[in-house]
Amino acid sequence: DVKVTQSSRYLVKRTGEKVFLECVQDMDHENMFWYRQDPGLGLRLIYFSYDVKMKEKGDIPEGYSVSREKKERFSLILESASTNQTSMYLCASSFWSGANVLTFGAGSRLTVL
Amino acid sequence: TQLLEQSPQFLSIQEGENLTVYCNSSSVFSSLQWYRQEPGEGPVLLVTVVTGGEVKKLKRLTFQFGDARKDSSLHITAAQPGDTGLYLCAGVLGNQFYFGTGTSLTVIP
Repeated sequence: DVKVTQSSRYLVKRTGEKVFLECVQDMDHENMFWYRQDPGLGLRLIYFSYDVKMKEKGDIPEGYSVSREKKERFSLILESASTNQTSMYLCASSFWSGANVLTFGAGSRLTVL
Repeated sequence: TQLLEQSPQFLSIQEGENLTVYCNSSSVFSSLQWYRQEPGEGPVLLVTVVTGGEVKKLKRLTFQFGDARKDSSLHITAAQPGDTGLYLCAGVLGNQFYFGTGTSLTVIP
């Protein structure tokens, strides 16, 4: 069964801490995405990557950075967590093809105190 | 940013009732997808519609893509408690996905 795995399901951090959210996919997908999900706002794109060491800003990149050193791994970094970054974070991947389908991980719920 | 508005935002119905969820945008998309998300899980693709006016059926779920490829609807016939979840539409342009605001459906036994 193909998967996108987010290693941390629940995290509680303090304001100002550095936070790493890890995402690994085993489908050899070129594209990987980080979304933030908040009630009533749907999914908002933070960053995406089409290839190793490549990254592009999405709609809400402020306060976040990403790293893609290997094709299967895409990490989201909060350099200095703030309370307004409390949210559900979803990682997804897709093939570079005409029939685009996003495969999501189960999500990482982050609470910043 | 492409914006997709879904309505209603919340829906609570009795088992056996029918319902329709709408996804509207002013933008044209190459395709439109519907995902369902259950509590504690990530969204899972239900269907992709590609052609304007296209209708797809998945058991009791009927999906339609608007003629102008700007909007879509999801109709559920005789809803079951297992249909409970968050329904998200997503407009696709190239390799980009633009998600709707979501419809939270609760089907009461």
